[in-house]
Amino acid sequence: NAGVIQTPRHKVTGKGQEATLWCEPISGHSAVFWYRQTIVQGLEFLTYFRNQAPIDDSGMPKERFSAQMPNQSHSTLKIQSTQPQDSAVYLCASTPTDNNQAPLFGEGTRLSVL
Amino acid sequence: GQQVQQSPASLVLQEGENAELQCNFSTSLNSMQWFYQRPEGSLVSLFYNPSGTKQSGRLTSTTVIKERRSSLHISSSQITDSGTYLCAMDPSSGSWQLIFGSGTQLTVMP
Repeated sequence: NAGVIQTPRHKVTGKGQEATLWCEPISGHSAVFWYRQTIVQGLEFLTYFRNQAPIDDSGMPKERFSAQMPNQSHSTLKIQSTQPQDSAVYLCASTPTDNNQAPLFGEGTRLSVL
Repeated sequence: GQQVQQSPASLVLQEGENAELQCNFSTSLNSMQWFYQRPEGSLVSLFYNPSGTKQSGRLTSTTVIKERRSSLHISSSQITDSGTYLCAMDPSSGSWQLIFGSGTQLTVMP
C-alpha cells in the first residue's frame, strides 16, 4: 500500500497561469479531502468528496479554484489564473467512510506562484 | 475567533526532557486528533478520537471532550521527535471537516 500519492511534489507557476494538482487516494478509501497549508493561515479545509461526489466545498475560494473526482482512483484540484497568495502546500487525504478511522495524508504539493 | 488554540507555538528541549503540548477548543467537538508533521511536510496521525488517556510508546494523549481540551505528553524526547505537532477537531458528527490548531514546532537538541 503506497499511501496517498500526490503529484507533483513541487510546482512553480507564473502569475496568471493555471495549476492542476493530482491526488491518488488509497485504494478502497471512499472519502477524499483537500487541505491547504500556509505559514499565516495554517492548515485549512478546502473540500471533501465521498464516493466521488462533492459533499462539502465550503473551504474552497469561490473564484479560480475547482476540484473534481472523475473516478475513484484520483482527484484533481485546479487553480486558474494563479496568484502569489495561492502559494501553499496543498494536502490530500483519504479515509474509508464506513469505519471510524483517521484520515491518511499524502506528502503534499508545494505550489509556488511567482 | 479561532476555534482551536494550541500552545506553545514553539518548544526547544534537550534530548531526554519531557514535553507537554496543549489544545483548547472554543466550540463543542465531535472528535479530535493529534498529528505529527514531518519536516518534509507529510502528516502522521498520532491519536484519533482519544477520550481519557491513551498511550502509544513515549506519547500520551489526555482528552476531556466535555471540557474541550486535550494535551499531548512526550516523554524522554529524542532528536527524531523534532517537527510540528498539530491538534485538529471535527466540530460536528458527519462533517469530516477538520479544524486544525496552529501547531507546536518542537526542536530537540542533542
